[in-house]
Amino acid sequence: QVTLRESGPALVKPTQTLTLTCTFSGFSLSTSGMCVSWIRQPPGKALEWLALIDWDDDKYYNTSLKTRLTISKDTSKNQVVLTVTNMDPLDTATYYCARGKGGDCSASDYWGQGTLVTVSS
Amino acid sequence: QSVLTQPPSVSGAPGQRVTISCTGASSNIGAGYDVYWYQQLPGTAPKLLIYANINRPSGVPDRFSGSKSGTSASLAITGLQAEDEADYYCQSYDLSLSGWVFGGGTKLTVL
Repeated sequence: QVTLRESGPALVKPTQTLTLTCTFSGFSLSTSGMCVSWIRQPPGKALEWLALIDWDDDKYYNTSLKTRLTISKDTSKNQVVLTVTNMDPLDTATYYCARGKGGDCSASDYWGQGTLVTVSS
Repeated sequence: QSVLTQPPSVSGAPGQRVTISCTGASSNIGAGYDVYWYQQLPGTAPKLLIYANINRPSGVPDRFSGSKSGTSASLAITGLQAEDEADYYCQSYDLSLSGWVFGGGTKLTVL
């Protein structure tokens, strides 16, 4: 059974760095073709893809946020970590991690429940 | 503005057929990149509905179907049910952005 769960602070102050952890089970990120994405959704707004990391440690970032994002994985812990620097109130959103369907990283077939991050002083 | 354009809302009566369009450009759908559709029920995480343009994951009813042509794609829902009331998002890869992009989402209301 594949599960993913996001964890991290619910509240961060402007200019701070956000660190989110996606802990998953039911698959391994060391398996060829596997990948994990981070996607966010501001309240009442659309989904926005942020970053992706694959089994080969290749990393892809949203170009408009690239300078602020870092994605990494710890295969032994079954975790993927996303850091977002210089947080702004506009970064308030529910942050999701999702697994890319084996062999097709574009298809996010399992999602975490999401974690709401509010940016406020 | 989203890279992929969807109508903000569509509606239909139970039993009817509705379609949701997703219009892209030559750097994404028109470049041959596949289209994916997600359903998001209120207060829940998105769920993969259609992958690689036309394929349904296991468990998705065949009332849902996807198509793609040129720089656009469509999601069709037949035999509309109250439980289909949700937000629907299309997704593809964009070559010029070197990343994945979502549409702005379409709210489906079952009358």
